[in-house]
Amino acid sequence: QKEVEQNSGPLSVPEGAIASLNCTYSDRGSQSFFWYRQYSGKSPELIMFIYSNGDKEDGRFTAQLNKASQYVSLLIRDSQPSDSATYLCAVNWNQGGKLIFGQGTELSVKP
Amino acid sequence: KAGVTQTPRYLIKTRGQQVTLSCSPISGHRSVSWYQQTPGQGLQFLFEYFSETQRNKGNFPGRFSGRQFSNSRSEMNVSTLELGDSALYLCASSSGGRASTDTQYFGPGTRLTVL
Repeated sequence: QKEVEQNSGPLSVPEGAIASLNCTYSDRGSQSFFWYRQYSGKSPELIMFIYSNGDKEDGRFTAQLNKASQYVSLLIRDSQPSDSATYLCAVNWNQGGKLIFGQGTELSVKP
Repeated sequence: KAGVTQTPRYLIKTRGQQVTLSCSPISGHRSVSWYQQTPGQGLQFLFEYFSETQRNKGNFPGRFSGRQFSNSRSEMNVSTLELGDSALYLCASSSGGRASTDTQYFGPGTRLTVL
């Protein structure tokens, strides 16, 4: 059974701080990891994906992957109130269009 | 490029009825995946269609079915609706390549309420 785990939160950080969102997964093997952001009442929107060990940066977002520890994280620098949303971690185990999602972490950025 | 579109956006049905939801992928995308999102279970994969064929299937009962047309548009059908089928149904399109990095883009979803 392939599983993806996230802390449900809510995670509360002050404006301007770094928000750290974590995700663990149950199965090894070649796979890719996706971070989506979902605002209340909206559909998920892609932030970024990562498939190699290490860090990948895109603007204020950095994804970190450690396959040995089966762990992927998303860092949001200089957090803004507009970043307040639920962040979903998803894993693709080389199965075409099948993504397995975690339950999501609710992030609240306080002004 | 236009994004993924889903129709209708909202539906209210009663138990026992059936429903058909539609999804039009991003132009050029050949894969459509369907997901169900509920507060309790989160986002769960239903199935994926690629080139008019079901390529992957999740763990949902046979009441949930789908199809894809030659223009890549996809429909999903739920028969004999149950109260527990109330959810946000999302479709996502991607180019359809087998690489695990093939990126999915979501439509706005169809909110189904079963009374």
